Amino acid sequence: DTAVSQTPKYLVTQMGNDKSIKCEQNLGHDTMYWYKQDSKKFLKIMFSYNNKELIINETVPNRFSPKSPDKAHLNLHINSLELGDSAVYFCASSHPSGDPEAFFGQGTRLTVV
Amino acid sequence: RKEVEQDPGPFNVPEGATVAFNCTYSNSASQSFFWYRQDCRKEPKLLMSVYSSGNEDGRFTAQLNRASQYISLLIRDSKLSDSATYLCVVNLNQAGTALIFGKGTTLSVSS
Repeated sequence: DTAVSQTPKYLVTQMGNDKSIKCEQNLGHDTMYWYKQDSKKFLKIMFSYNNKELIINETVPNRFSPKSPDKAHLNLHINSLELGDSAVYFCASSHPSGDPEAFFGQGTRLTVV
Repeated sequence: RKEVEQDPGPFNVPEGATVAFNCTYSNSASQSFFWYRQDCRKEPKLLMSVYSSGNEDGRFTAQLNRASQYISLLIRDSKLSDSATYLCVVNLNQAGTALIFGKGTTLSVSS
């Protein structure tokens, strides 16, 4: 039973398009995240949602917008895709108290052509 | 100065070798520390938490030095299956704060 699932696993799209990546967790965690892993393999936090409120919003372009319909979901919408957006996007969730171990989804490999 | 710094490697070692990874972090308010493992084209997974007293899990030993803001991971008797990227991770333990990852250290164990 998958704890954190994200779809699609692969996404190939043209520049200028708008796309969404979905994420769901069944762990009952309070906080969900989106990370971007670029070609140099560096995992960088993009967004964090805690109880449906945006807690962290790193300096990412406003073409990226997280949307959380409920505590179990955090979707990532990207407008006007650019070549530089090509990366692997990971969704994760954690429970902030105690040791906040993060559980990651399998990742979405986005390729913009 | 980057928040979490690691030697990227790669570390190429034979089976059975002992290998050590080091990591430094910049925010003295960091409260939680972890080592994650990431296999090629897979998601990161928790390897072990790191405590000030040091902790051991089988062939893996993690150490934390808060005064020096330094974290280490020691792998003894390396196996082929240990080949992966090892990510040093810190957290401020404040509500909603995210885990901050180092760039990772790549380990390749050969027979």
